Amino acid sequence: AQRVTQPEKLLSVFKGAPVELKCNYSYSGSPELFWYVQYSRQRLQLLLRHISRESIKGFTADLNKGETSFHLKKPFAQEEDSAMYYCALRSGSARQLTFGSGTQLTVLP
Amino acid sequence: DAGVTQSPTHLIKTRGQQVTLRCSPKSGHDTVSWYQQALGQGPQFIFQYYEEEERQRGNFPDRFSGHQFPNYSSELNVNALLLGDSALYLCASSAIGSGSYEQYFGPGTRLTVT
Repeated sequence: AQRVTQPEKLLSVFKGAPVELKCNYSYSGSPELFWYVQYSRQRLQLLLRHISRESIKGFTADLNKGETSFHLKKPFAQEEDSAMYYCALRSGSARQLTFGSGTQLTVLP
Repeated sequence: DAGVTQSPTHLIKTRGQQVTLRCSPKSGHDTVSWYQQALGQGPQFIFQYYEEEERQRGNFPDRFSGHQFPNYSSELNVNALLLGDSALYLCASSAIGSGSYEQYFGPGTRLTVT
């Protein structure tokens, strides 16, 4: 069975500092990995997916199959990045997402 | 387009009662997935409906059932409510018929069971 682990429930960084949100997964095949974000009082929304290899709002994430990780990174955090971040996995032909428990990021002024 | 809408926003029920939650997908979407999000946890997949049939199901008991209507909207029904069913219930829609699996989430329905 697939599993997604986000080891940090809370993460605080200062504005302008680099930030890394950790995500590890377990799945025997080739998964699709996603990062979702939920800003205060807003709905859950897709931030980025590993397949597109794009950078959204300055965030990037690289899929490391050897370490089974998909860490989210941003070189210079902004206060507006404060939100709840969820890592999610979609496996093979399955259509549902398996989510981690989330990391609450707070960017301090 | 209002995106995915859910009703009601929140409700309170008593143990043993039954509840129905509703979801309207984003315009152009044909698939609805339901998730349960307990406090402090990530969303957990309940089931998915496509072409008015349940296509996949997560690890939830039969007390959880659903329906999809011809206009693609969906209902989630929970029977014999337990205290542990208290959670935020999220609906997500996608356009699987068009080959797109990206899921767009609604604002959720907050269910409290007392």
